[in-house]
Amino acid sequence: AQSVTQLDSHVSVSEGTPVLLRCNYSSSYSPSLFWYVQHPNKGLQLLLKYTSAATLVKGINGFEAEFKKSETSFHLTKPSAHMSDAAEYFCVVPDTGRRALTFGSGTRLQVQP
Amino acid sequence: DGGITQSPKYLFRKEGQNVTLSCEQNLNHDAMYWYRQDPGQGLRLIYYSQIVNDFQKGDIAEGYSVSREKKESFPLTVTSAQKNPTAFYLCASKSGTGAYEQYFGPGTRLTVT
Repeated sequence: AQSVTQLDSHVSVSEGTPVLLRCNYSSSYSPSLFWYVQHPNKGLQLLLKYTSAATLVKGINGFEAEFKKSETSFHLTKPSAHMSDAAEYFCVVPDTGRRALTFGSGTRLQVQP
Repeated sequence: DGGITQSPKYLFRKEGQNVTLSCEQNLNHDAMYWYRQDPGQGLRLIYYSQIVNDFQKGDIAEGYSVSREKKESFPLTVTSAQKNPTAFYLCASKSGTGAYEQYFGPGTRLTVT
């Protein structure tokens, strides 16, 4: 079964500095991959998705992620953090057998003023 | 506007009582899912349904039950057999096409005392 590992449970950055949230995947082939964002006490929103069309994927709110097969990574980045980016971020891979999703444990992003 | 609604947003129950969480979607999606979210554990799949009148257990189905009598609705009952029911519950849906991304409702926070 495919799985993802989010390498940091908490990341704290200052407003205006770059954001890096790390995710490694485990798969025997190039999978689909997603990043979802969850603001406090809210549902999840799709941030971006990789489906093998392009290795650099652009998402909403200035986020992007690069699929690196050699490193089995799909790290999420943003050049300049904004206070509104404070949220929990999930790296997600499809559970193809059940047509469901398998979630990483999440990374909580704090943005300091 | 199309979307997924979950009600209520907050729910309080006494231990030993069954409680039903509502999930409705008007996206005309075939598949629907229930996830449970606990701090630091990401989302775990409780039940899923690919079509009306059919559903399957996920990873943590014990103590839960569902029904899928209508395409738009996928209610989740948390029974008294669920040992630790206090959690944030998220409902999601997905179209029947090849895409894997799911759309999430705003969630219901259940507190059992």
